[in-house]
Amino acid sequence: RKEVEQDPGPFNVPEGATVAFNCTYSNSASQSFFWYRQDCRKEPKLLMSVYSSGNEDGRFTAQLNRASQYISLLIRDSKLSDSATYLCVVNEYYGQNFVFGPGTRLSVLP
Amino acid sequence: DGGITQSPKYLFRKEGQNVTLSCEQNLNHDAMYWYRQDPGQGLRLIYYSQIVNDFQKGDIAEGYSVSREKKESFPLTVTSAQKNPTAFYLCASSIEGQGNGYTFGSGTRLTVV
Repeated sequence: RKEVEQDPGPFNVPEGATVAFNCTYSNSASQSFFWYRQDCRKEPKLLMSVYSSGNEDGRFTAQLNRASQYISLLIRDSKLSDSATYLCVVNEYYGQNFVFGPGTRLSVLP
Repeated sequence: DGGITQSPKYLFRKEGQNVTLSCEQNLNHDAMYWYRQDPGQGLRLIYYSQIVNDFQKGDIAEGYSVSREKKESFPLTVTSAQKNPTAFYLCASSIEGQGNGYTFGSGTRLTVV
């Protein structure tokens, strides 16, 4: 079983739609969690950290369920500019390397 | 502005040749990392370093070498032993021990010709 798994894509949604991505991780001792966004042929960029209490940043909401070992990202009112690959990232121990999921590609269509 | 700089952006390597990819950061981050990304796939860890003069192998270290002589610099050498080096190489850094996210460089796209 892979350490970090994500919804297989791609997701093709119309502008204005709400879309949700899920991510599961295998190590119950994992400490910190992130969503990154990667545009085509560019480096990944931090979208948001994921906290146990859940957190929201504008149209983006991230949630963590430690008991079930999954993380979610919800995007409301999708924009064309949201088209990208979304990477789920898990840090198993503070100070150690991060484990990246394979990514889920989102295309927002006009 | 602080950041992490990779160079060159594009690199072409002949068969049997060693090449070195540069990664420099002025964020005062302790930890630095090298990842490889193949088309349509996730990132795979090559090497990482948590402190100067120390580094650890990642999941796919064979055919690569690194050094960490300065905190700011973590160059990656792709040796002739790496049989399939064509990929997108990403360098990242982070503050050690605080569970913060990575900051990535803009990447080097290596192609074997």
